[in-house]
Amino acid sequence: NAGVMQNPRHLVRRRGQEARLRCSPMKGHSHVYWYRQLPEEGLKFMVYLQKENIIDESGMPKERFSAEFPKEGPSILRIQQVVRGDSAAYFCASSPFGTSGRARETQYFGPGTRLLVL
Amino acid sequence: LAKTTQPISMDSYEGQEVNITCSHNNIATNDYITWYQQFPSQGPRFIIQGYKTKVTNEVASLFIPADRKSSTLSLPRVSLSDTAVYYCLVGPNSGGYQKVTFGTGTKLQVIP
Repeated sequence: NAGVMQNPRHLVRRRGQEARLRCSPMKGHSHVYWYRQLPEEGLKFMVYLQKENIIDESGMPKERFSAEFPKEGPSILRIQQVVRGDSAAYFCASSPFGTSGRARETQYFGPGTRLLVL
Repeated sequence: LAKTTQPISMDSYEGQEVNITCSHNNIATNDYITWYQQFPSQGPRFIIQGYKTKVTNEVASLFIPADRKSSTLSLPRVSLSDTAVYYCLVGPNSGGYQKVTFGTGTKLQVIP
């Protein structure tokens, strides 16, 4: 059973460009979470999605950032018009679909995408 | 989510038992305590989760006193490969999703 997959692992963008980060959850998982980690800091929650639905985006910056998890395909975190402050590691996690219809708690993390904005 | 406090760093020699304590004075009744491990350039990895008393798995033990205001992650006989950052998280496990917030964690350095 493959783990959470993220690509690219490293991404370099110039200021003003767009960054697209992809996340494929573990097989059987229908809940996806995105986190951002700045150097020497812990992970900060950004957004929680289920298939075709954004459940909680309270950690997402109001502008330039968006996320989706389509019916088919990976979850995408998009950052438009990147700035140097967007440089960070972005982690995706997934969790199973619980019997209550909600996510079960343990989250499985991908290896992350390291974004560098020049 | 309950705020957690952990030591910033710890050193230990190989083969020793390591105990990392986390304070969570404002833990709520329905909160669980979860520990993750993160190696450099990797995503966090789930280690153990508990609600009260003691939980043990093949990797670690988790000790939670009766008042649940703190918890201790115990790693038996650490090796160099246990060098990592360890995060303590507290949040509900009521069947809803857990919007986890990671603190800065405890950086464990295992010395040969």
